[in-house]
Amino acid sequence: GENVEQHPSTLSVQEGDSAVIKCTYSDSASNYFPWYKQELGKRPQLIIDIRSNVGEKKDQRIAVTLNKTAKHFSLHITETQPEDSAVYFCAPLSGGSYIPTFGRGTSLIVHP
Amino acid sequence: KAGVTQTPRYLIKTRGQQVTLSCSPISGHRSVSWYQQTPGQGLQFLFEYFSETQRNKGNFPGRFSGRQFSNSRSEMNVSTLELGDSALYLCASSLLTSSETQYFGPGTRLLVL
Repeated sequence: GENVEQHPSTLSVQEGDSAVIKCTYSDSASNYFPWYKQELGKRPQLIIDIRSNVGEKKDQRIAVTLNKTAKHFSLHITETQPEDSAVYFCAPLSGGSYIPTFGRGTSLIVHP
Repeated sequence: KAGVTQTPRYLIKTRGQQVTLSCSPISGHRSVSWYQQTPGQGLQFLFEYFSETQRNKGNFPGRFSGRQFSNSRSEMNVSTLELGDSALYLCASSLLTSSETQYFGPGTRLLVL
C-alpha cells in the first residue's frame, strides 16, 4: 500500500508568518493530492487539491506545490491568522487502488 | 444543499455487541466512503460504496462491513465490538469517485466499554 509521511507533526508560528507542511508518498501512480483542514471537534474539510498534470495551484493565501519526481507535495499558507489553527492532513490517492491514504496530520498553531 | 449527515452522533456499547452507523450523502452524490479516526492510527480508510456496490476496501477485519441503498444512503456495521473499535467514524460523499472533492459528515463517536 501507499506509505505517506507528513512533516512536521507540529508547527507553531506567529500571526502573519508563513507555514509550510510537506507530504511524501511512495506510490508513483498517485494522481490526486488533496489537503484537508480539521478544526478541533469539527469534520475534515478539503481546502485545496492538485492533480498530477499540474505543478502548482493557488487559492488566495493557500497554495499547493507538487513534485512528482521526488514524490512529495506541500501546503503553503501565507499571512497566517489564528483561525488557521487546526490539524492539516494530506491524502494522496493511489492511481492503482483508488484508496486515499491520510498522513498522520500536522497541528498548526498560530499565535496572535 | 444539505451537507452530509450521520446518525447517531454518539454511541456507547459494550464489548461483544454490534453497532450500525448511518450516513446520508449530499443529494446527487453517489460515492460514499467510510473512515475510522483514532489518536493512535489517525484517519484510516474503511471502504467505499458506489451504486450499491463496494468499490474499494481498506485493511480492516471482516467484522467491519457496510452497504449502500438505492438512494445512496449508506450504513456500516461493526460486529463483535472490541475496545480498540472506540473511534470517530466519518463518512464522506463525492459525486462519483474518491478522486473528487470529498465532503465529510460530522462523524459518529463510538465508545466501547
